[in-house]
Amino acid sequence: QQQVKQSPQSLIVQKGGISIINCAYENTAFDYFPWYQQFPGKGPALLIAIRPDVSEKKEGRFTISFNKSAKQFSLHIMDSQPGDSATYFCAAQGNTGGFKTIFGAGTRLFVKA
Amino acid sequence: NAGVTQTPKFQVLKTGQSMTLQCAQDMNHNSMYWYRQDPGMGLRLIYYSASEGTTDKGEVPNGYNVSRLNKREFSLRLESAAPSQTSVYFCASSQVRGDSPLHFGNGTRLTVT
Repeated sequence: QQQVKQSPQSLIVQKGGISIINCAYENTAFDYFPWYQQFPGKGPALLIAIRPDVSEKKEGRFTISFNKSAKQFSLHIMDSQPGDSATYFCAAQGNTGGFKTIFGAGTRLFVKA
Repeated sequence: NAGVTQTPKFQVLKTGQSMTLQCAQDMNHNSMYWYRQDPGMGLRLIYYSASEGTTDKGEVPNGYNVSRLNKREFSLRLESAAPSQTSVYFCASSQVRGDSPLHFGNGTRLTVT
């Protein structure tokens, strides 16, 4: 079964600190790796995404690092703010018998003021 | 522009009752999806429709049926609800491209007693 493994399950960071969430995948057919952010009572929303032909993508305080050979990718949130407190899902997507997205189990981030 | 709209927002069913969750999108997307979200398990794909007129099983299809009514609407039916189907259900849509992100509705919280 295709899997995306995500860690940690929960994370507490001080305001201004760096939040790091890690993911690993198995299927090399995946070719698009999005991160979604979810606030309570809302659906997940795309935060940032990367394709495997680049090793890093940065958008503001959010950076994805991608290691194709290790089949791992991570989300770094610089200068974490209380407003970043949410659940974060990594995902992997590709034409694996239909364009399906496989999600990690999620990380609940709490940023302390 | 409402994006993806799900109804109802909340529902309580007794074991054995049936119901249909409704989903509509106004982004002219070809593909639509139904996911369920359970604590610690991320988002798991129930059924998807790559394009109007087609539907396929996802990771956890047992106990569910779907209908792609037209390009905009994709419904999920529980014929005989079970307590194991207590969950938050999300509908999503996307373009048919490997690098196209999912756009989610705000979910239906279903409790089966």
